[in-house]
Amino acid sequence: EAGVAQSPRYKIIEKRQSVAFWCNPISGHATLYWYQQILGQGPKLLIQFQNNGVVDDSQLPKDRFSAERLKGVDSTLKIQPAKLEDSAVYLCASSRQGGRSYNEQFFGPGTRLTVL
Amino acid sequence: GDSVTQMEGPVTLSEEAFLTINCTYTATGYPSLFWYVQYPGEGLQLLLKATKADDKGSNKGFEATYRKETTSFHLEKGSVQVSDSAVYFCALESGNTPLVFGKGTRLSVIA
Repeated sequence: EAGVAQSPRYKIIEKRQSVAFWCNPISGHATLYWYQQILGQGPKLLIQFQNNGVVDDSQLPKDRFSAERLKGVDSTLKIQPAKLEDSAVYLCASSRQGGRSYNEQFFGPGTRLTVL
Repeated sequence: GDSVTQMEGPVTLSEEAFLTINCTYTATGYPSLFWYVQYPGEGLQLLLKATKADDKGSNKGFEATYRKETTSFHLEKGSVQVSDSAVYFCALESGNTPLVFGKGTRLSVIA
């Protein structure tokens, strides 16, 4: 079974520019997550989708970050405009379903963003 | 809110040494506890988990026991190998709260 795919793997931009990341979850996984992992810290959830609906976006900085999951499969995460503090690895994960019981999350390799 | 504290690294061990990575947590309710591993150049992988007090999770020679009385979930391995070099994350999930991760501990095993 193919894993979670993410692209690009690396991105360097200047502050105030825009950037977009793409994620393709494991086939059949209903739930998709975007995490931000700043150097030296653990991943922090930005947004969780169940199919194409948002379950939790309480930690998403909505003034500059946006995400969508059209058709309940692929997802894109966008930052516009980027700030220096957005430099991080952006991880995408998927699981069979969300809800109250734990379903193992499978993580992609991440996109490393550097904002200059 | 819920949180996880794990020992800071990096941890450097010789091959076949005993490994302990400490993890303690703060949570309301009864969380499930996890250890994730991130090998160089790869994504996070679930290493082991425990869903209730006194449960022991184990995988690939690693073990961790859910200790409610000490709110701990320490990771142990009796004999590490060079291939165990990675970053290890302790995490918890409680009810509808999403996964909360610790800061990670980098382990380097030298031959």
